[in-house]
Amino acid sequence: EVQLVESGGGLAQPGGSLRLSCVTYGLGFSVFEMNWVRQTPGKGLEWISYISGSSATIYYADSVKGRFTISRDNAERSLYLQMNNLRAEDTAVYYCNAGGLRFFDHWGQGTPVTVSS
Amino acid sequence: DVVMTQSPLSLPVTLGQPASISCRSNQSLVYSDGYNYLNWFQQRPGQSPRRLIYRVSVRDSGVPDRFSGSGSGTDFTLKISSVEGEDVGVYYCMQGTHWPPTFGQGTKVEIK
Repeated sequence: EVQLVESGGGLAQPGGSLRLSCVTYGLGFSVFEMNWVRQTPGKGLEWISYISGSSATIYYADSVKGRFTISRDNAERSLYLQMNNLRAEDTAVYYCNAGGLRFFDHWGQGTPVTVSS
Repeated sequence: DVVMTQSPLSLPVTLGQPASISCRSNQSLVYSDGYNYLNWFQQRPGQSPRRLIYRVSVRDSGVPDRFSGSGSGTDFTLKISSVEGEDVGVYYCMQGTHWPPTFGQGTKVEIK
């Protein structure tokens, strides 16, 4: 059974930082393209970042470009999202997703991030 | 970005009755390989999204055959042939043909 388990969410101040992690089980992780997707009541589901299996290709949504950094450690079967210069509008539930830009096969349970002073 | 528009946004249904959700894109989702990269996701209350259907009509493993998808180009439909209680939740379409991938706003299915 495939499992994606996120952690690292919480409360951060505007301008602050958080690092999200996602460890995967039951997945040939190194060959899977990965995404981060976030969900808010107002904007719904929003794709924010993608990384290829080898980390050679990385994309970001305009809303997070220059502030967020996606990375992965294939040996640890883990995906990461470093979030800097956080804004109130980054408040959301963040999901780790496996399957690339076209398929979005598998989802984690999500980790909530709140940006507030 | 490609805009995905779902209708209706709320869908009260009677148990055992069919349900249908429409998803329209403002650009064709036919990719150069001939496929439409249109997925459907189900999000039950308190849970994360789960993919039901990919490439318009291919059901994921374990998805009941009462769920079916159809369409091409800019018009797509998710149908539930006979709604069961476990189908309550929000359904999202998503396109992966154009960058960036984008989601519809969701359709909430509830039991009358």
